[in-house]
Amino acid sequence: DARVTQTPRHKVTEMGQEVTMRCQPILGHNTVFWYRQTMMQGLELLAYFRNRAPLDDSGMPKDRFSAEMPDATLATLKIQPSEPRDSAVYFCASGGFGANVLTFGAGSRLTVL
Amino acid sequence: GEDVEQSLFLSVREGDSSVINCTYTDSSSTYLYWYKQEPGAGLQLLTYIFSNMDMKQDQRLTVLLNKKDKHLSLRIADTQTGDSAIYFCAEREYSSASKIIFGSGTRLSIRP
Repeated sequence: DARVTQTPRHKVTEMGQEVTMRCQPILGHNTVFWYRQTMMQGLELLAYFRNRAPLDDSGMPKDRFSAEMPDATLATLKIQPSEPRDSAVYFCASGGFGANVLTFGAGSRLTVL
Repeated sequence: GEDVEQSLFLSVREGDSSVINCTYTDSSSTYLYWYKQEPGAGLQLLTYIFSNMDMKQDQRLTVLLNKKDKHLSLRIADTQTGDSAIYFCAEREYSSASKIIFGSGTRLSIRP
């Protein structure tokens, strides 16, 4: 059963610390999306990649967030320095050619104190 | 820019039909989706409809698309307690980038 794997599932950190979230997309999928879910904002698109190249990261605060795909099996989302307002659940989703359907990971719940 | 809107809450009696509504702004959307999120879990695809279709039925689920009004609905027949979840509407824009934009989700609760 193919699935998107995200780590860590839960992370509690202090303000100012660096946070890195990782995503392993489904093997063979060539698009990867990062979303953030909060009670206030719902599900926001942060960034997405096709064939490891960033297509759109306009939803991401550029001063502290960065997203990369070092290889086809790993996508990372980094926050440096983290702030309490970054507390949210971060979802990674991957899609095959055309990305008509996305498969979501279970999410990484981040709490910044 | 693109926007997808849904009401935040819906409460229905067990056994009744649930209808969850969604409006979107991008008239060039190619695909429209319904995803389900159970507590503590990621989003799971329920169903999707291509923009040249008006209706799609899959067991207890019926999706209706009104392109003129940019309105999408999901009907769940014979709603059960296991249907309690947050339901997200989403659209895929027509462009070389083809990003997928989600609504804020509708929390469906079931009354006995």
